[in-house]
Amino acid sequence: QQPVQSPQAVILREGEDAVINCSSSKALYSVHWYRQKHGEAPVFLMILLKGGEQKGHDKISASFNEKKQQSSLYLTASQLSYSGTYFCGTEDNYGQNFVFGPGTRLSVLP
Amino acid sequence: SQTIHQWPATLVQPVGSPLSLECTVEGTSNPNLYWYRQAAGRGLQLLFYSVGIGQISSEVPQNLSASRPQDRQFILSSKKLLLSDSGFYLCAWSAPIVGGSGELFFGEGSRLTVL
Repeated sequence: QQPVQSPQAVILREGEDAVINCSSSKALYSVHWYRQKHGEAPVFLMILLKGGEQKGHDKISASFNEKKQQSSLYLTASQLSYSGTYFCGTEDNYGQNFVFGPGTRLSVLP
Repeated sequence: SQTIHQWPATLVQPVGSPLSLECTVEGTSNPNLYWYRQAAGRGLQLLFYSVGIGQISSEVPQNLSASRPQDRQFILSSKKLLLSDSGFYLCAWSAPIVGGSGELFFGEGSRLTVL
């Protein structure tokens, strides 16, 4: 079953922060985050494997609450290059089934 | 290093014609393989995934099929295309790890237009 993402879209000014949420109705083994630029393939940002784990990648970090089956992606001091559509991906059964959320379109304006 | 190749990059096909998209992975063995479709402005829909040769799981019942004739080759096919088959098709692979999948690596994508 596909995870749910919120918000569907967000517009920021350069330097502002944003949070994108991802939740699932089923138990999660891991959560992935990807960013896709228009017309291109998605690019991996990070994977969270343990409940409560928080990972960081430059000014982009994420948390994973395994009990609540939720993950959040935090974008700090956004840059123009952060624009794109962000997808969370979730899996069960040890990677035999990997599904993406519907995506959150992020636009960073100068 | 590992690479993934997907072709063709672009194709325009009439309704009712057959389809074959091919994906190959280099530099790894026994990868998990995936086919996704993305309609314009929409999310990524999982079509098929495979954990080994000849092992295909279908997520969406439709007129598409997939095959994995070799360990690092994944083929998406259709005998008769529908207008609704138009979209951006992405092949991906991941290395199985304990507790789940590693990072998904995507091919460049194949943009299919059915007229």
